[in-house]
Amino acid sequence: RKEVEQDPGPFNVPEGATVAFNCTYSNSASQSFFWYRQDCRKEPKLLMSVYSSGNEDGRFTAQLNRASQYISLLIRDSKLSDSATYLCATREYGNKLVFGAGTILRVKS
Amino acid sequence: DVKVTQSSRYLVKRTGEKVFLECVQDMDHENMFWYRQDPGLGLRLIYFSYDVKMKEKGDIPEGYSVSREKKERFSLILESASTNQTSMYLCASLVVGQGNTEAFFGQGTRLTVV
Repeated sequence: RKEVEQDPGPFNVPEGATVAFNCTYSNSASQSFFWYRQDCRKEPKLLMSVYSSGNEDGRFTAQLNRASQYISLLIRDSKLSDSATYLCATREYGNKLVFGAGTILRVKS
Repeated sequence: DVKVTQSSRYLVKRTGEKVFLECVQDMDHENMFWYRQDPGLGLRLIYFSYDVKMKEKGDIPEGYSVSREKKERFSLILESASTNQTSMYLCASLVVGQGNTEAFFGQGTRLTVV
């Protein structure tokens, strides 16, 4: 079983739509959780950390459910510029950083 | 700004060659990582290091080794390159702190083994 699993998509959505991604992780001792964004032919960059209480950054909302071992990312009012691959990641004991395979989002006009 | 620099963007090597991929970070981070990224498989962890001369195997260490002689430099070594090691290789360094844990990536090295 993969340590971090995501639906690869692609998710094809119109501009203005709301889209949600989920990610599950297998290590219950994982300490920190993240969403990264990767544009085509570029390196991943941190989009946002995910906290137990949930957190929001503009149109982006991230949530963590430790009991069910999943994290989610909600994007409201999608823009063309949101088209990218979204990677979830966990930091395990000893600072091992594990990524999922990524979810492709395509926002169309 | 944190900078993580990988020595080459593109590399072509022959089967059986010993290959060195270099990564340097300028922020005094203790933790550094090597991943490979393949279509549909995402980022898979090869090795990571939490301090100078310390290393831990990741999920796919076979055929690779690493070296961390100085804090800022983490090298990935392909002992005898094979065609199935053709991939995009990404180096990252990690800062860990309250509310500001973040990994910074290099621009990647696309390695082709022929």
